[in-house]
Amino acid sequence: DAKTTQPNSMESNEEEPVHLPCNHSTISGTDYIHWYRQLPSQGPEYVIHGLTSNVNNRMASLAIAEDRKSSTLILHRATLRDAAVYYCILRSKETSGSRLTFGEGTQLTVNP
Amino acid sequence: KAGVTQTPRYLIKTRGQQVTLSCSPISGHRSVSWYQQTPGQGLQFLFEYFSETQRNKGNFPGRFSGRQFSNSRSEMNVSTLELGDSALYLCASSPDGFSQETQYFGPGTRLLVL
Repeated sequence: DAKTTQPNSMESNEEEPVHLPCNHSTISGTDYIHWYRQLPSQGPEYVIHGLTSNVNNRMASLAIAEDRKSSTLILHRATLRDAAVYYCILRSKETSGSRLTFGEGTQLTVNP
Repeated sequence: KAGVTQTPRYLIKTRGQQVTLSCSPISGHRSVSWYQQTPGQGLQFLFEYFSETQRNKGNFPGRFSGRQFSNSRSEMNVSTLELGDSALYLCASSPDGFSQETQYFGPGTRLLVL
């Protein structure tokens, strides 16, 4: 799977929007962009994924650049519970199996 | 549905011992993957089992092994424990292990090797 680059840490205030960037300049046409997050003392949990179009779900939105070399996870109103490490992961649809390759992720701090 | 469960949640062992960790996937899920998480190396893939067969394997020594039973429950075993094996061991399940399926993680087993 291709490599992603994320900032080590970001900070936000409660109830404000948060934009978490991810660069993936070597992304291929068959790579989906997945986001997982890991809350303290828990296993990772799925957040959202997409291929080309922007995606929305109850947790977040995913904005994908037109050239697909970058994407942004958007939390519309951060809460204290959103403090976690956020991982941006590329998954090729041609890859067999469920293996996830985690990078270092972005540690999000939410201030009250 | 109940989530992924892992037992035990915490474990203390000494160097040279062996350990077996257990993972029960979400009902109906046939793919189980294992990961090791350490402060230095982050989250690293160990192996994946599907229908009682190992389908993918990460870059870990042969001391790390696993198996899957007919009910999809999985165990991983670490023999001859080393201090560096101290880590959080996570398992994840998905229905069929397709690349775009959501992975559901358990809470992990925290292993401390003294």
